[in-house]
Amino acid sequence: DAGVTQSPTHLIKTRGQQVTLRCSPKSGHDTVSWYQQALGQGPQFIFQYYEEEERQRGNFPDRFSGHQFPNYSSELNVNALLLGDSALYLCASSLGGVEQFFGPGTRLTVL
Amino acid sequence: GDSVTQMEGPVTLSEEACLTINCTYTATGYPSLFWYVQYPGEGLQLLLKATKADDKGSNKGFEATYRKETTSFHLEKGSVQVSDSAVYFCALAPSGGGADGLTFGKGTHLIIQP
Repeated sequence: DAGVTQSPTHLIKTRGQQVTLRCSPKSGHDTVSWYQQALGQGPQFIFQYYEEEERQRGNFPDRFSGHQFPNYSSELNVNALLLGDSALYLCASSLGGVEQFFGPGTRLTVL
Repeated sequence: GDSVTQMEGPVTLSEEACLTINCTYTATGYPSLFWYVQYPGEGLQLLLKATKADDKGSNKGFEATYRKETTSFHLEKGSVQVSDSAVYFCALAPSGGGADGLTFGKGTHLIIQP
C-alpha cells in the first residue's frame, strides 16, 4: 500500500515565476491538506480539499491556490513567487477524520 | 486562535536517559492532540495521539497524556536510543476536527549521544 507521494522532490524557481506541486493521497483517502514548513519551523496549514472543493484555508494569500481531482490527487499552485516562499511543502491525506498521513514533501527554493 | 507551545531545542541527552518534551496548547473546546516526528530529509510521521481528556497515547516506548486541566500533552520516554534523534512536533486539531488543518508547535530537535 503506497503512502502519500509528492512530486517533484526538489524544485528551484526564480522570483515572479509560478510553480505547481503535486500530491497523491494514501490509498482510500479522500481529503488532502497542504502545509508550508519554513526552515527550522513547524508546518503551517495552507488549505484542505475534500470532494474537489477547498474546505478550509489558513492564513495564506491568494497567490496560493489548489485543486483536487476526481481521483483525490491534488495540486498546489503558487503564483508570483517570492523569496519567502522557499520552504518544504508537505501534503497530508486523511479519510474523513482527524488523523493525517504526510508525504515526504517538495523542497522549493526561490532565487 | 489556536496555538501550540513546545520547549525550545536542541535537547541533548545521553543514550538510556529519560526524556520529557513539554507541550502546552491554547484552543477552544476539546481538541485532539498529536506528536509527530520528523527524521532528517523526511516528512512527518505520526508518533502518537489522544482525542479526549485523560487519554494516554503511546507508541515505540513514547507516551503522552492529554491533561485538560493544565492544557498540556508532554512527550515522555523512559530510556532513549540514538535512533530517537529527530525533530518532534506537538500538534492539535480543533474540536470536531476533520475539516480543519493541524496547528503545530515550532518543533524540538532531540539529539541522543551514544
